[in-house]
Amino acid sequence: AQSVTQLGSHVSVSEGALVLLRCNYSSSVPPYLFWYVQYPNQGLQLLLKYTSAATLVKGINGFEAEFKKSETSFHLTKPSAHMSDAAEYFCAVSGPSARQLTFGSGTQLTVLP
Amino acid sequence: DTGVSQNPRHKITKRGQNVTFRCDPISEHNRLYWYRQTLGQGPEFLTYFQNEAQLEKSRLLSDRFSAERPKGSFSTLEIQRTEQGDSAMYLCASSSGPKETQYFGPGTRLLVL
Repeated sequence: AQSVTQLGSHVSVSEGALVLLRCNYSSSVPPYLFWYVQYPNQGLQLLLKYTSAATLVKGINGFEAEFKKSETSFHLTKPSAHMSDAAEYFCAVSGPSARQLTFGSGTQLTVLP
Repeated sequence: DTGVSQNPRHKITKRGQNVTFRCDPISEHNRLYWYRQTLGQGPEFLTYFQNEAQLEKSRLLSDRFSAERPKGSFSTLEIQRTEQGDSAMYLCASSSGPKETQYFGPGTRLLVL
């Protein structure tokens, strides 16, 4: 069984500030981990994924995430927030057979001018 | 590569009516997934196909739900005798293999009155 917990359903940062969105996972098998972003009335777009290679994963739009097995975490960061980063972010986990994704409940990111 | 498309984008129906949604995956993607997303939650897995075979169904997929993927191309999701609790965004995703990225469509938003 797999599950994802995203701490903080709403996060606000000022433009130019560090973005940190938290994700903790539970998995009985080596996990594959993903971050997706969803803009209003749109589907999900993949930001980045971890599939057991490098533990620091770089994604699109300046985002990156670090897989920490000891902490069962996969937090998403971006050094400097931009207004266009305002969206909902979902962390997801799957197993090595990578069938369905199990998503967290999401974090709504607001970027303040 | 035109991406995953879904039709209709919005559907309003009365309780008790039947509805059908269509998903066209990225061409040559042999895996197709359906998810349901309710307000304020992450997507939840419903079912997936490999080519035309439906390989897994979630317990969320009650007897009123049926999905097909004839000829391994587009897929349809039908909900019979809709209930207000069926109101949600229905998302479709496709991938080229079990360990490959799932690409999501824009979703069909269903409102049951």
